[in-house]
Amino acid sequence: AQTVTQSQPEMSVQEAETVTLSCTYDTSESDYYLFWYKQPPSRQMILVIRQEAYKQQNATENRFSVNFQKAAKSFSLKISDSQLGDAAMYFCALEGAQKLVFGQGTRLTINP
Amino acid sequence: SQTIHQWPATLVQPVGSPLSLECTVEGTSNPNLYWYRQAAGRGLQLLFYSIGIDQISSEVPQNLSASRPQDRQFILSSKKLLLSDSGFYLCAWSSVYNQPQHFGDGTRLSIL
Repeated sequence: AQTVTQSQPEMSVQEAETVTLSCTYDTSESDYYLFWYKQPPSRQMILVIRQEAYKQQNATENRFSVNFQKAAKSFSLKISDSQLGDAAMYFCALEGAQKLVFGQGTRLTINP
Repeated sequence: SQTIHQWPATLVQPVGSPLSLECTVEGTSNPNLYWYRQAAGRGLQLLFYSIGIDQISSEVPQNLSASRPQDRQFILSSKKLLLSDSGFYLCAWSSVYNQPQHFGDGTRLSIL
């Protein structure tokens, strides 16, 4: 079975500062992908960033980057220069065996 | 470009009534299609996924069923709703396995 664990139910950060959201996972698949999705109050699920497990290089997408530690099965998201629009629920997700499994989410608050 | 439409956005139904939620995708062919449920403050739970017409897999035994009458149409149904069926339902599609899933805007279902 595949599992995803987000140990931080809530996080807060000052505007313009940097914040890191944690995620650990477990899978027996050798070929899998990892994602971070953002869900703002509108509840739309928006893809933030994607990481192929076979790639050692950490994915980056503008102010968003990941720290992918395959041996430790860790996949954290770093948000630099936090903006008010970054406030949302953030979900870590693992896709393997044609199934996408989500963590429980981290609610991120941005303090102006 | 591809778009996904999900309706209705909000639905209030009495216990024991039937349910039909519809999802359609435009701009692509033979997509993988998914139905998720999100309980309040929780992550997403995969309910059904389909890799083709008449190829539907159920992830969780429950009061719901899914059908795919056309290539780009995915329907979530129930003959008799239970109180526990309340939640936020999301439809998603992906082009192939391990590609990011793209989500609809969701349906908020309340059972009275």
